[in-house]
Amino acid sequence: AQSVTQLDSQVPVFEEAPVELRCNYSSSVSVYLFWYVQYPNQGLQLLLKYLSGSTLVKGINGFEAEFNKSQTSLHLRKPSVHISDTAEYFCAVTYLGNQGGKLIFGQGTELSVKP
Amino acid sequence: GAVVSQHPSWVICKSGTSVKIECRSLDFQATTMFWYRQFPKQSLMLMATSNEGSKATYEQGVEKDKFLINHASLTLSTLTVTSAHPEDSSFYICSAILAATDTQYFGPGTRLTVL
Repeated sequence: AQSVTQLDSQVPVFEEAPVELRCNYSSSVSVYLFWYVQYPNQGLQLLLKYLSGSTLVKGINGFEAEFNKSQTSLHLRKPSVHISDTAEYFCAVTYLGNQGGKLIFGQGTELSVKP
Repeated sequence: GAVVSQHPSWVICKSGTSVKIECRSLDFQATTMFWYRQFPKQSLMLMATSNEGSKATYEQGVEKDKFLINHASLTLSTLTVTSAHPEDSSFYICSAILAATDTQYFGPGTRLTVL
């Protein structure tokens, strides 16, 4: 079955430190990949997406991600985090050619930025 | 651009009553919308795919007679929780696909509490 795995359920980090949130997917077909952020009691906000082309993707709020086809991954990175980045982060994938745009979500990673 | 709204943002109702939640794409037309359910500290669970002008497609295990979905126009989908019970209490999130970019944009969510 197709799936998305976020390897870390919780990531604590100090302010201004770099962070990487990991995401792997299982697929033998082409995919679109997304990272979303969710603040408490809110919906999801799109951080970035990988559709095709350059493997380095720039997102909002200083986030970026690198697509690695051989490792089937799209890890999210930020060189220096802020307290305001504390939130839940979800990786998601949709498989081209089927499912009508359905997203498959990872379990989520709780990023906690401490002063 | 690509803003999705939900109304209400939170609702409290008595057991046995029905509750309607609206999802609107404010600045684009969406032939496809999705409804998700999210329990505390968990990922999003897709409930159904809402297609304008046709019946919704429900995921396995989701009761279509309990969660009625109507996609009456290209900018509005509604989810009605019929005869709500305390176990239906949850955070309900909708999303709409912006066809030009094949990207889902999410609403802010509706917190339903059934007493």
